[in-house]
Amino acid sequence: DTGVSQNPRHKITKRGQNVTFRCDPISEHNRLYWYRQTLGQGPEFLTYFQNEAQLEKSRLLSDRFSAERPKGSFSTLEIQRTEQGDSAMYLCASSLTGGWNTEAFFGQGTRLTVV
Amino acid sequence: AQSVAQPEDQVNVAEGNPLTVKCTYSVSGNPYLFWYVQYPNRGLQFLLKYITGDNLVKGSYGFEAEFNKSQTSFHLKKPSALVSDSALYFCAVRDEGGNNRLAFGKGNQVVVIP
Repeated sequence: DTGVSQNPRHKITKRGQNVTFRCDPISEHNRLYWYRQTLGQGPEFLTYFQNEAQLEKSRLLSDRFSAERPKGSFSTLEIQRTEQGDSAMYLCASSLTGGWNTEAFFGQGTRLTVV
Repeated sequence: AQSVAQPEDQVNVAEGNPLTVKCTYSVSGNPYLFWYVQYPNRGLQFLLKYITGDNLVKGSYGFEAEFNKSQTSFHLKKPSALVSDSALYFCAVRDEGGNNRLAFGKGNQVVVIP
């Protein structure tokens, strides 16, 4: 399967712990996005990379959140000192560079539960 | 900032009947509109998009959507619904003038009744 891959699929952590998620985009895609989806809501934009450069960050991305994309390939999203409000599905997507009309392809997501 | 509204929480339709999922949008520039579908425990799958040109856009699995600029709408349609179409459907918009983020609606649960 050459789609977007996310690991782990599920993560349960205690409040206050740090967690890290990984996203492997479609190989030729140079844009990578992170979204967060809570129950009953649509995905909300968190951040966006063009190759290794992080070009946009949402105000939802507090200082406890950090994302990286070394070498412009896979990306990691780290949440420090997790809170119960961080419980959500974290979605990664990737796309080609092609302008505003380019569709993004999503991974299956990582479901985080903070207890 | 760009946004979309999906006014209905759930759409129930009998198998074989036409299916419509409603979406209205708000942008400052020209809109780029997308529909995605999400099956249980699966990621979002791209269905179709409107960029420019014909107002009727055809996509995957027999779905189509009609762009209406005067009503700022982009409703998703399927002439004959299948039980397998039962899923969560999201409308999304990207603003030409702004940034690369997609703004999603809250989603519509579609239930196709056999």
